[in-house]
Amino acid sequence: AQSVTQPDIHITVSEGASLELRCNYSYGATPYLFWYVQSPGQGLQLLLKYFSGDTLVQGIKGFEAEFKRSQSSFNLRKPSVHWSDAAEYFCAVGALNAGNNRKLIWGLGTSLAVNP
Amino acid sequence: KAGVTQTPRYLIKTRGQQVTLSCSPISGHRSVSWYQQTPGQGLQFLFEYFSETQRNKGNFPGRFSGRQFSNSRSEMNVSTLELGDSALYLCASSFGGREDEQFFGPGTRLTVL
Repeated sequence: AQSVTQPDIHITVSEGASLELRCNYSYGATPYLFWYVQSPGQGLQLLLKYFSGDTLVQGIKGFEAEFKRSQSSFNLRKPSVHWSDAAEYFCAVGALNAGNNRKLIWGLGTSLAVNP
Repeated sequence: KAGVTQTPRYLIKTRGQQVTLSCSPISGHRSVSWYQQTPGQGLQFLFEYFSETQRNKGNFPGRFSGRQFSNSRSEMNVSTLELGDSALYLCASSFGGREDEQFFGPGTRLTVL
């Protein structure tokens, strides 16, 4: 079955510290992978995506993620967290149907708090 | 350019009623997808419309339906509301290619009493 697991429900880091949010997926074919961020009262915003090619992808706001096929993982990283990064982060896999149309299957999210 | 808009932003209904939510995509986008977000189940895909045709659907009962108009605006309808339908309903629009980014609206918060 297709699924996405984000093992950490809640993470707290200090401002300026590094961050890694974990994401594991289960998908039979080559996955399309995404990280989204949702701030309170805001819609979901795409941070980065992986379709193919270089397994280290760069996104907006200084985020990057690395696709590791052998570990079925797509972890999100940031070298130095800012207070404005406090939000809910979602990992998703794009599953294709028989018509080659994509739907997003989501993890349950990781809530990030940033201490000043 | 304007982003994805959803109306209404908040809605309160009682069990057994029906509700219609509206989504206006970004200009030029032909695909609209709908998602349900709840604390327990997270984000779940409802369905996607492209050029007025449903081309993908999730695992929701038939009470959940949708449609898309020629201007790409989409509506989602839930009939015979249940308490468990209380959720944030998000729509996302894109050009429709499988590698195109989906842009999300702010959502409609539905509360069923």
